[in-house]
Amino acid sequence: ETGVTQTPRHLVMGMTNKKSLKCEQHLGHNAMYWYKQSAKKPLELMFVYSLEERVENNSVPSRFSPECPNSSHLFLHLHTLQPEDSALYLCASSQMRDRGREQYFGPGTRLTVT
Amino acid sequence: QQPVQSPQAVILREGEDAVINCSSSKALYSVHWYRQKHGEAPVFLMILLKGGEQKGHDKISASFNEKKQQSSLYLTASQLSYSGTYFCGTEEGGADGLTFGKGTHLIIQP
Repeated sequence: ETGVTQTPRHLVMGMTNKKSLKCEQHLGHNAMYWYKQSAKKPLELMFVYSLEERVENNSVPSRFSPECPNSSHLFLHLHTLQPEDSALYLCASSQMRDRGREQYFGPGTRLTVT
Repeated sequence: QQPVQSPQAVILREGEDAVINCSSSKALYSVHWYRQKHGEAPVFLMILLKGGEQKGHDKISASFNEKKQQSSLYLTASQLSYSGTYFCGTEEGGADGLTFGKGTHLIIQP
């Protein structure tokens, strides 16, 4: 497989559930990102990982917990979510964390919280 | 603070030209342009860096006015495949990650 893949593509969960989103990049990149895309709102950066170290949190609620076990894999652990967390969650990667590096996005996970 | 994109939406006939603008109130290091089709991932189009360097596709052109912190994306002789939502993302001097605008919806009609 090539590029950035995300699983699952669609997820419906209740507010008391615990689930995880997975992202994998096959580009040899060293930085990975989670973004949230809600209807009628711009893409919002949630987390940045560079060389497996988290470098930015952006005041994301603690019910979202990222994990980056190696430079190719990124997870977003979800627990006790709210309906307003329903959105498209996009993963992206770039060669380095340096500025001016293009980011490549995965297809996203469409999350619905009931 | 997110960059401001204009127009919010534009409808063109195939072959017509369009300009999409992106402006920020912050001093920028770079501006990134992406296109997203419905249900798909955003696709990288171009980066414009402070100092004049550009990276991107040959068929896409854009400009970055560093004094005004404004960027424009030029779509000439538009094709049906150009339809989608165009986002600009900006990088500031000391921050990580991109801050995106709300997007410009482009519809190309035959």
